[in-house]
Amino acid sequence: ETGVTQTPRHLVMGMTNKKSLKCEQHLGHNAMYWYKQSAKKPLELMFVYSLEERVENNSVPSRFSPECPNSSHLFLHLHTLQPEDSALYLCASSPTPIAGADTQYFGPGTRLTVL
Amino acid sequence: GQNIDQPTEMTATEGAIVQINCTYQTSGFNGLFWYQQHAGEAPTFLSYNVLDGLEEKGRFSSFLSRSKGYSYLLLKELQMKDSASYLCAVMDSNYQLIWGAGTKLIIKP
Repeated sequence: ETGVTQTPRHLVMGMTNKKSLKCEQHLGHNAMYWYKQSAKKPLELMFVYSLEERVENNSVPSRFSPECPNSSHLFLHLHTLQPEDSALYLCASSPTPIAGADTQYFGPGTRLTVL
Repeated sequence: GQNIDQPTEMTATEGAIVQINCTYQTSGFNGLFWYQQHAGEAPTFLSYNVLDGLEEKGRFSSFLSRSKGYSYLLLKELQMKDSASYLCAVMDSNYQLIWGAGTKLIIKP
């Protein structure tokens, strides 16, 4: 089993749909992250969870709603998205809770297209 | 504001050496990371520098100068599989990673 997995790998949705992205880490890590990656732009940090508590929310629109039921799973619930939300959504995990210079380990991402 | 700069795209020849530069301006510094990302795949960790100097790891080396806000990734004996994007990221005083937009490296035979 690879370290960080994400499903689905590709998702096409209309602006009125509701969908969820799933991330699972098999590394025993305690922090998990959602990033947005748009073409030719830096990775944008969306949410950070440390020990299942949200510790960072970088002014992300409310149409994105994260959920972390346990330290191995992270979800991103999507509703009424806009075409500009089309991007690659990456999940990552790191070993220790926040306040450490940890290496982050990434999943392969979900390529989201909003029509 | 916080800023990471790296070239958008570079081209090099198989077997040659290439240096990818990264300059940064951040609120504090807790280390600099390099990641490799093949198209459609996850970014994978390459190196971490927190002290000045050169860190060598096989064909890849990473250099840091904190006083200059500068790092480079050096790739030797280039192989076709090295064609990828290379992402530079700095950890700031809040232990948050600030990312560059990535350098797309194209290797030609």
